[in-house]
Amino acid sequence: AQSVTQPDIHITVSEGASLELRCNYSYGATPYLFWYVQSPGQGLQLLLKYFSGDTLVQGIKGFEAEFKRSQSSFNLRKPSVHWSDAAEYFCAVGGRTGRRALTFGSGTRLQVQP
Amino acid sequence: EAQVTQNPRYLITVTGKKLTVTCSQNMNHEYMSWYRQDPGLGLRQIYYSMNVEVTDKGDVPEGYKVSRKEKRNFPLILESPSPNQTSLYFCASSLNGGSQETQYFGPGTRLLVL
Repeated sequence: AQSVTQPDIHITVSEGASLELRCNYSYGATPYLFWYVQSPGQGLQLLLKYFSGDTLVQGIKGFEAEFKRSQSSFNLRKPSVHWSDAAEYFCAVGGRTGRRALTFGSGTRLQVQP
Repeated sequence: EAQVTQNPRYLITVTGKKLTVTCSQNMNHEYMSWYRQDPGLGLRQIYYSMNVEVTDKGDVPEGYKVSRKEKRNFPLILESPSPNQTSLYFCASSLNGGSQETQYFGPGTRLLVL
C-alpha cells in the first residue's frame, strides 16, 4: 500500500527566506507525485506534479520540487518566500496501477514572519 | 469559470439528524469523490464515483452514503451523524479518475456534530 510522510507539522520562515518542505513516500515503483496547497478557508490547489522524466519539476507561484528515487522523497522548495505563501501544504501520491485514489500526507502548515 | 461548489460551507447539527452536503462541478468530469480532513491525518477518501450511477467506497466510508444521479452532482449524505463525523469535508473532481490527473477541489464544508 502506498503512504506519504510529511515529517514537519509546522514550519515558520521569514519573508524572503528560502523554504523546503519535506515529503517521503512509500510505493513499490515510481508513483505519481503531487503537491497541493490549501490557503485559509479555501480548497486545495495543485502546485505541481511529477510523472516521469526530469526529476526537477516547476510549479505555480515560483515553487519547484525534486524527485529523488534513492531517498523516496519529493521535497518542495521555494527560493524566496512571500507572506501570501502562508498556507498548509500537502504532498500526495498516486499509484500507477490498481487503486486510483490519491494518498495524502498529513500536511505541513507554513507560517511566514514579516 | 471552472469550479467545484459545495453547500453549505458551515454546518452545526445534532447527533442523529440526517443531513446532506451538496457538491456540483461544471467541468463535465467523470470522476468525483469526497474526502474528510482531520488534524494530523491529512485527507482521507470517503467515497468516489467513476460515473453516473457508479460509486464505490474509499478508505473511511462508514456512516456515509453518496449518490450520483447526474454527472455534475455528487451529494454526501449522513443518515445519522455522530460527533466523530465532525470534520472538514472536501468534494473533488477529475476528468476520468486516473491517479495522474489533477484533482479540482471545492472550498470545503466544515461540519460540527453536537
